[in-house]
Amino acid sequence: ETVLTQSPATLSLSPGERATLSCRASESVGSYLAWYQQKPGQAPRLLIYDASNRAIDIPDRFSGSGSGTDFTLTISSLEPEDFAVYYCQQRSNWPPLTFGGGTKVEIK
Amino acid sequence: EVQLVESGGGLVQPGGSLRLSCVASGFTFSRSWMSWVRQTPGKGLEWVANIKEDGSEEYYVDSVRGRFTISRDNAKNTLFLQMNSLRVEDGGKYYCARAPRLFDWDYWGQGTPVTVSS
Repeated sequence: ETVLTQSPATLSLSPGERATLSCRASESVGSYLAWYQQKPGQAPRLLIYDASNRAIDIPDRFSGSGSGTDFTLTISSLEPEDFAVYYCQQRSNWPPLTFGGGTKVEIK
Repeated sequence: EVQLVESGGGLVQPGGSLRLSCVASGFTFSRSWMSWVRQTPGKGLEWVANIKEDGSEEYYVDSVRGRFTISRDNAKNTLFLQMNSLRVEDGGKYYCARAPRLFDWDYWGQGTPVTVSS
């Protein structure tokens, strides 16, 4: 099973600041990595697929990079609505499809 | 507008059964791979099962294989998850989701809660 480790667990930032979230895979997943945002009481929302492609209607302040085992989600300037939990997910080595444990971006 | 609406969750005793449903609209259901993904206190987000557009292929996470069955009715735009021999650790919120690629998920339902407790 490919284990995805996200860091940090919590990121405390202010609106307008840059957020950098990390996802590390236990083995190569190529570019087959997605990022999701989840707010309390809501379903996950696809932000980025295949490491660097923004999903439909996702603002360009969200960007993804990386390949192999190391990936980054960057939010260039945090808006109030961006404070949420973010998950990475791989679709390269399955079954099983796996998710990371999440990074919570909270208001400082 | 794409909509996925789950139902069928509830409280069940260990060893019991539940059947979840997900009604889809706003896209061509019969041309889409579909999945169930759950979110549990113990394991966070966890993929459960996938089913091919025509229902001819199914895939499961090991922990549910042999107990859960994914199926679909393309005439009714409905996805199902039959859950048997339920365990306490199966409790959580179950989401149906569309897989435009093999596999990540671009549209999700609101989820239906499952509680397994005596």
